[in-house]
Amino acid sequence: QVTLKESGPVLVKPTETLTLTCTVSGLSLSTDKKGVSWIRQPPGKALEWLAHIYSSDGKSYNTSLRGRLSISKDTSKSQVVLSMINMDPVDTATYYCALITEGSSSRAFDYWGQGTLVTVSS
Amino acid sequence: DFQMTQSPSSLSASVGDRVTITCRASQGIGNSLAWYQQKPGKVPQVLIYAASTLQSGVPSRFRGSGYGTDFTLTISSLQPEDVATYYCQKYDVGPLTFGGGTKVEIK
Repeated sequence: QVTLKESGPVLVKPTETLTLTCTVSGLSLSTDKKGVSWIRQPPGKALEWLAHIYSSDGKSYNTSLRGRLSISKDTSKSQVVLSMINMDPVDTATYYCALITEGSSSRAFDYWGQGTLVTVSS
Repeated sequence: DFQMTQSPSSLSASVGDRVTITCRASQGIGNSLAWYQQKPGKVPQVLIYAASTLQSGVPSRFRGSGYGTDFTLTISSLQPEDVATYYCQKYDVGPLTFGGGTKVEIK
């Protein structure tokens, strides 16, 4: 059974850096062709894709947040880490990680974590 | 910048009605388009991938179509359990942009 779990702080102060970890269980990020994205959703608002890391270790970022985001993975720990610098109250949101199988057998993001609510406030 | 434009942003329809949601990509994306359903307070779930392939377990009243830049999600007979917000997403290569969402309610 594949599961994803987000972890990190629930409260950060403005200007601080947010670091979130997505731990994937039930498969290997190193041997299976899987990519992982971070997606966020402010309260009552739409989903916003943030960043993606491919099985090849290639990376893609939301250009509107370029410069603030960094994504990386540790395949030995089955973890994907997102860092976002210079946090602002408008970044208050539920942050999700989601998994996709790459290539012709892809079924889009068919596994999601439960999400973690991050509040930005002084 | 790449954009996914989804419409309408909300709709209200009666049980049994046919409902159509559209999604337009600012550049051609082939069939690398997914539709997600997010019920209130829940995690999004994929309904359709590859523009028209139904995810396992999804009722057959949901149908996806389209290719290139224009895509459609149709619910053939709206049911009370379909109350949710629906999102399209391009999922091949970055940016993996979502549409703005369509909130579906029962009239």
